[in-house]
Amino acid sequence: GQQVMQIPQYQHVQEGEDFTTYCNSSTTLSNIQWYKQRPGGHPVFLIQLVKSGEVKKQKRLTFQFGEAKKNSSLHITATQTTDVGTYFCASNSGNTPLVFGKGTRLSVIA
Amino acid sequence: GAGVSQSPSNKVTEKGKDVELRCDPISGHTALYWYRQSLGQGLEFLIYFQGNSAPDKSGLPSDRFSAERTGGSVSTLTIQRTQQEDSAVYLCASSYLAGGYTGQYFGPGTRLTVT
Repeated sequence: GQQVMQIPQYQHVQEGEDFTTYCNSSTTLSNIQWYKQRPGGHPVFLIQLVKSGEVKKQKRLTFQFGEAKKNSSLHITATQTTDVGTYFCASNSGNTPLVFGKGTRLSVIA
Repeated sequence: GAGVSQSPSNKVTEKGKDVELRCDPISGHTALYWYRQSLGQGLEFLIYFQGNSAPDKSGLPSDRFSAERTGGSVSTLTIQRTQQEDSAVYLCASSYLAGGYTGQYFGPGTRLTVT
């Protein structure tokens, strides 16, 4: 089955710095989803990308799906302490279960 | 509307006992998933129900784990003869599958501690 690899595993940034997490696959993905999990909370669905080269924005968050649909990125501009948490990418094909990456844990130092 | 709910929120049990964890998905969602998350770790897929299809049980770690979904709605995850390594947060999620895949909506989880 398809697998998604996420890097980095951890990222520590100063408040105001930018942050990017990457999701990579050796196979073509039909879609990519991103989730955020705050410390002590449950994963919350952020967005889904399905088209090659697709770019979507949510305020300071920019999501991108690669042209070959084998990678994706989540970029946060000018991080804030509210951005702290673990960001997961996930993908599936047809009716198969979502496969989650291991996540990138973001710490923001005020 | 109401989100995904899970009960109990916390469960402490003795090794060897059976436990049942309940999930109430969002009304109208056809797909339901169970995951397990150990402290600071990622999401481990356990089982997936989609409509009336046979569930995908490929993630269940042993035959001590089972799950059912009644009436296409509420689901129960049962762990028999619990072991200490079963201690984790058990998360349920549901999604609506119609003409394309949509995001999963997670419940708050059940924190299981096996002593």
